[in-house]
Amino acid sequence: GDSVTQMEGPVTLSEEAFLTINCTYTATGYPSLFWYVQYPGEGLQLLLKATKADDKGSNKGFEATYRKETTSFHLEKGSVQVSDSAVYFCALSLRNFNKFYFGSGTKLNVKP
Amino acid sequence: DTAVSQTPKYLVTQMGNDKSIKCEQNLGHDTMYWYKQDSKKFLKIMFSYNNKELIINETVPNRFSPKSPDKAHLNLHINSLELGDSAVYFCASSQRTDTQYFGPGTRLTVL
Repeated sequence: GDSVTQMEGPVTLSEEAFLTINCTYTATGYPSLFWYVQYPGEGLQLLLKATKADDKGSNKGFEATYRKETTSFHLEKGSVQVSDSAVYFCALSLRNFNKFYFGSGTKLNVKP
Repeated sequence: DTAVSQTPKYLVTQMGNDKSIKCEQNLGHDTMYWYKQDSKKFLKIMFSYNNKELIINETVPNRFSPKSPDKAHLNLHINSLELGDSAVYFCASSQRTDTQYFGPGTRLTVL
């Protein structure tokens, strides 16, 4: 069935370190892919998205590229800040099937 | 302007009580959702409504009943609350299956 798998956390990094959070998906059809971020005590908010293969989503220094050949949408940031500490969710939507799937979330802790 | 709002933000109640959580969106979206987030941050979809019609009804106890009086509102009523219902409940909305916009959450604590 359709699903999203992302790396388990927590991920702990020092400020200015490079971040990668892996996300792979299984889907019938042609999904759109999303990264959401949840800061402590808040709801989820969209970080970036890509709607077709080879598209790159980017926002606030974060990037992810829609890779159809490896069914992946890994999140990267070149230099993390303490303020990036949050839980990150990978997600996919299947327009034709009216479905939306979230991964299990990856907690990121950035230390000064 | 708040795009998706929920009330109340916190709800503390005794086992066996009945409670409701309200959600409103002012984005003009046609689809609204209820999610339950547990203490490990796992997000589980409960219900989805499209134009006031129920389209997703995941395996949740029938003590949970959603009601959508119009496209902009989706309320969640919970009967006979149990300890295991303690969680954060999020409402969200989207235009079909495009980006979902989430409310701030309602933290439910059942004592």
